[in-house]
Amino acid sequence: DAGVIQSPRHEVTEMGQEVTLRCKPISGHDYLFWYRQTMMRGLELLIYFNNNVPIDDSGMPEDRFSAKMPNASFSTLKIQPSEPRDSAVYFCASTTGGPHQPQHFGDGTRLSIL
Amino acid sequence: GQQVMQIPQYQHVQEGEDFTTYCNSSTTLSNIQWYKQRPGGHPVFLIQLVKSGEVKKQKRLTFQFGEAKKNSSLHITATQTTDVGTYFCAGRTTDSWGKLQFGAGTQVVVTP
Repeated sequence: DAGVIQSPRHEVTEMGQEVTLRCKPISGHDYLFWYRQTMMRGLELLIYFNNNVPIDDSGMPEDRFSAKMPNASFSTLKIQPSEPRDSAVYFCASTTGGPHQPQHFGDGTRLSIL
Repeated sequence: GQQVMQIPQYQHVQEGEDFTTYCNSSTTLSNIQWYKQRPGGHPVFLIQLVKSGEVKKQKRLTFQFGEAKKNSSLHITATQTTDVGTYFCAGRTTDSWGKLQFGAGTQVVVTP
């Protein structure tokens, strides 16, 4: 079975540029999560969706971050404009049956903002 | 602030030794999950505990959920180099709107 698929795996860009991260959840999973992981702050939940609808975006750092889920098989996390402090590994995860159920994580996108 | 706390933050273990990592919550948890993240990898679900006092084993790993459902532990016996990684606990607290609260993780380094 295909797991959660994220792209790109690595992204290096200059400060001020727009960055778009992509995620395809496991087929049939109705919950999708975006996390950010850094050494300083650990694993942080940014936002999660249920049936393509954003449920909790309290973890989104600021207005420069936005996330969408236009359909059940695709989600994007966008940063515009990007800043060096956004450098981190961004994980997408999915599950079914509730936001407290075991989550399946993608391989992550390692983002470096120069 | 962080509601699910893990200790220790780092653990250096000699190969063959046992060690335990702990997860504590200030509020009652409806469930507790454990994940393992290898260096450069992504978190991988290991196990879920739901019942008070529940104990589950996976080969050399023993997971326990406290009687009050506010703490959990992961005990690894006869540590191997394959146990290297960061172990996260995650729990659903009563005031987390149903979502999981992840701990900061215990980073385990194994010395041959």
